[in-house]
Order: sequence, then C-alpha cells, then structure tokens
Amino acid sequence: NAGVTQTPKFQVLKTGQSMTLQCAQDMNHNSMYWYRQDPGMGLRLIYYSASEGTTDKGEVPNGYNVSRLNKREFSLRLESAAPSQTSVYFCASSEFGGSSYNSPLHFGNGTRLTVT
Amino acid sequence: SQELEQSPQSLIVQEGKNLTINCTSSKTLYGLYWYKQKYGEGLIFLMMLQKGGEEKSHEKITAKLDEKKQQSSLHITASQPSHAGIYLCGASWRGSGNTGKLIFGQGTTLQVKP
Repeated sequence: NAGVTQTPKFQVLKTGQSMTLQCAQDMNHNSMYWYRQDPGMGLRLIYYSASEGTTDKGEVPNGYNVSRLNKREFSLRLESAAPSQTSVYFCASSEFGGSSYNSPLHFGNGTRLTVT
Repeated sequence: SQELEQSPQSLIVQEGKNLTINCTSSKTLYGLYWYKQKYGEGLIFLMMLQKGGEEKSHEKITAKLDEKKQQSSLHITASQPSHAGIYLCGASWRGSGNTGKLIFGQGTTLQVKP
C-alpha cells in the first residue's frame, strides 16, 4: 500500500535555485494539498487542488507554484529558492468531494528542504 | 493557526500516567481531526469527530468533541513510550471555505519517560 509518495526525501538548494517537489497518490482521491511544517508553527497550507484541473492558494502561497498534472499527481515548484523556504514539505490527499465532504487527509512522509 | 489553539505545547509524563491534550476552535467546527507524528515521519490519522458529544477511541487514545465550547480533547490512558510524538489537531469549518483543506493547530509534543 503506497498511499502518498513524495520525492525527493531530502534536498539542499542554494539561494536562487529552482526545484520541483513531486507527489503522487494511488488512492483515487479527488483532492490534494501541499503543506509546510516549521518549528512552533504547525502545518500551514501552501496550495491545494480540490479536483483535477483546479488549484487554489492556501495560507502561504508566495514563492510557490503548483501543477495538478492528472488525478494522481500534484507537484510543487520553487522558482527561486530563498532561505525562508527552508522547511519540511508535506503532500496530502483526501477523498473530499468524492464519497464524502468531511474526509481525513492522508499524508506522505515529507521532503526536508534546506536553502542556503 | 490562531483559529485553532492546542494546549499544552509540550508535555512530559511518566510511563503509566494519564494525560489530556486540548484543541480549541475560534469558529464553528465541521470536522475535527487528530493526527500523530513521529520525528522525521509523516502524519498518521488517528480519529475524526463530527458531532457534538461524539467520542471515539483508538487503542488507549480517546477523543471527544464538545460542541458548546468548540473544543476537542485527546486523552491517553496509561501512557507508554510508544505514545511519544507530536499530536496535531486539524479542523474544517462549514461554509464557502470548506474545500476539504484542514487548518492545523501548532501541535503538542509528548515525551513519555520509562
């Protein structure tokens, strides 16, 4: 049971470099989400996709872009990385909008990103 | 998020002791979710509460929802070292903002001393 798979697990970038974080789910979920986790601040929503073909901003979208490539995949792109984007990034999916309008999120294991 | 406050922020208990973590919402809850996270890992879903007065259990962990207070409590009975980790509550609210996304509290770090 793969669930939600994120790649890479670790990444170190220099300021100004770009990269894409990949996320794929095999649960046929409609909705997918990107969060970042920072000490003392809990999880904050960056972007989400309520269904294939739609994306919306969350609490902290600045400096990020997303692509919902198909129902399975939702990628997060940093165009010009900054030290403030050093964080742990989590992708999640849920069946919200499918069989339920109140569904838990299922999380991947995270990508630990350091920007120097 | 200040919309969802967890307390305490950290907790150290002796193995075998009971403990309670609280999560309070500033808005009317639609769903309240509890997760556990071990260091360096993802979040594991524990329980979802939807109705006032609802109570659910998962092994030795029980969660309740108080609709009047818009608060949920997570209670661990006879704590064990395996209970150690970070506990997070997440919430969804009714209305146009309900798109399945959850807003999370800051988390409670639990240490259990053998």
